[in-house]
Amino acid sequence: EAGVAQSPRYKIIEKRQSVAFWCNPISGHATLYWYQQILGQGPKLLIQFQNNGVVDDSQLPKDRFSAERLKGVDSTLKIQPAKLEDSAVYLCASSFSSGGAFETQYFGPGTRLLVL
Amino acid sequence: GDSVTQMEGPVTLSEEAFLTINCTYTATGYPSLFWYVQYPGEGLQLLLKATKADDKGSNKGFEATYRKETTSFHLEKGSVQVSDSAVYFCALNYGGSQGNLIFGKGTKLSVKP
Repeated sequence: EAGVAQSPRYKIIEKRQSVAFWCNPISGHATLYWYQQILGQGPKLLIQFQNNGVVDDSQLPKDRFSAERLKGVDSTLKIQPAKLEDSAVYLCASSFSSGGAFETQYFGPGTRLLVL
Repeated sequence: GDSVTQMEGPVTLSEEAFLTINCTYTATGYPSLFWYVQYPGEGLQLLLKATKADDKGSNKGFEATYRKETTSFHLEKGSVQVSDSAVYFCALNYGGSQGNLIFGKGTKLSVKP
């Protein structure tokens, strides 16, 4: 079974530029998460989708971050414009159904972003 | 709000030593508890989980027991191997619209031969 795919794996940009990350979850997984992991910290949720609807985006900085999940499969996370403090690893995860507490979330390898 | 606190790392052990990584949590409800592991160059993987008080999760020789009275979920292994070198994250969640995992900061483990 193929895992969660993410691209690109690495990205270096200058501040005020824009950047986009792509995630393809495990086939058949209804719930998709984007997490931000700053160096030395644990991952923090940015947004949770169930199918193509947003369940929780309370921690997404909406003035610069946006995310979509068209057709309930792939997802794109965008930052525009980027700030230095956005340097982090962006992790995508998916789970089979409603994101229940007993469900396993499967993580992709992450995209490492460096903003100069 | 809810949070997870892990012991500071890095932790360096010799092969076959006993491992304990402490994890305590603050929660407003009754969450499920998890340990995830991140091997060098790889993504996060679920190591074990427990969904209610007194449950014990176990996998690959690792164990953790959900202790509601002490709000703890300490990770233990009786005899570590070099291949256990990784970063370990303790996490909690509630599921549904609160399905996101709340993670601790992670503890880096290095096992020397």
